[in-house]
Amino acid sequence: DAGVIQSPRHEVTEMGQEVTLRCKPISGHDYLFWYRQTMMRGLELLIYFNNNVPIDDSGMPEDRFSAKMPNASFSTLKIQPSEPRDSAVYFCASSFSGISYEQYFGPGTRLTVT
Amino acid sequence: KNQVEQSPQSLIILEGKNCTLQCNYTVSPFSNLRWYKQDTGRGPVSLTIMTFSENTKSNGRYTATLDADTKQSSLHITASQLSDSASYICVVSAGGATNKLIFGTGTLLAVQP
Repeated sequence: DAGVIQSPRHEVTEMGQEVTLRCKPISGHDYLFWYRQTMMRGLELLIYFNNNVPIDDSGMPEDRFSAKMPNASFSTLKIQPSEPRDSAVYFCASSFSGISYEQYFGPGTRLTVT
Repeated sequence: KNQVEQSPQSLIILEGKNCTLQCNYTVSPFSNLRWYKQDTGRGPVSLTIMTFSENTKSNGRYTATLDADTKQSSLHITASQLSDSASYICVVSAGGATNKLIFGTGTLLAVQP
């Protein structure tokens, strides 16, 4: 298996622009997680899905952030409009059977908003 | 308040030496505790997962301990190698209706030749 795939690996954009991050989970995994990591705050869980349905989005910082999972093999995290404080590394992870079980992380997308 | 605290924040050791990283938590109800290793520029990789009833779990040169009474965990690295240089993150899962993950801020380990 190729593992969790994320794209792009790096994204540089200007403040106010829309940013879309993409994730393909490991085939057969029914949970998908989006995380944000910064030096100041460490890893933060933004939202997670079970069987394509959002279960907990309490970590999503603002209405500017939205996430979708249209099918079992694809998810997007969108920021509109982007702000410099959104600069971070965004990770996608997937697991089989739940939030308490082992999660497999993708390589991350490094977002820089200027 | 559910919290996970790790110490030290950073650590430098010489190759071949042993080291121990600490994780203290105040999470209720407790479900499990995980240690992740994160290499620079990569996503975290799970080292161990421990439930309430497990005291020790090993993964090669990595040994995690859990004391559920004192709510402390440690990660011991034996005979360190340069490839052990990474950030080590402790994550506690709160079970029941809470069903949350609480993350520590990590310990940055540098192994020098």
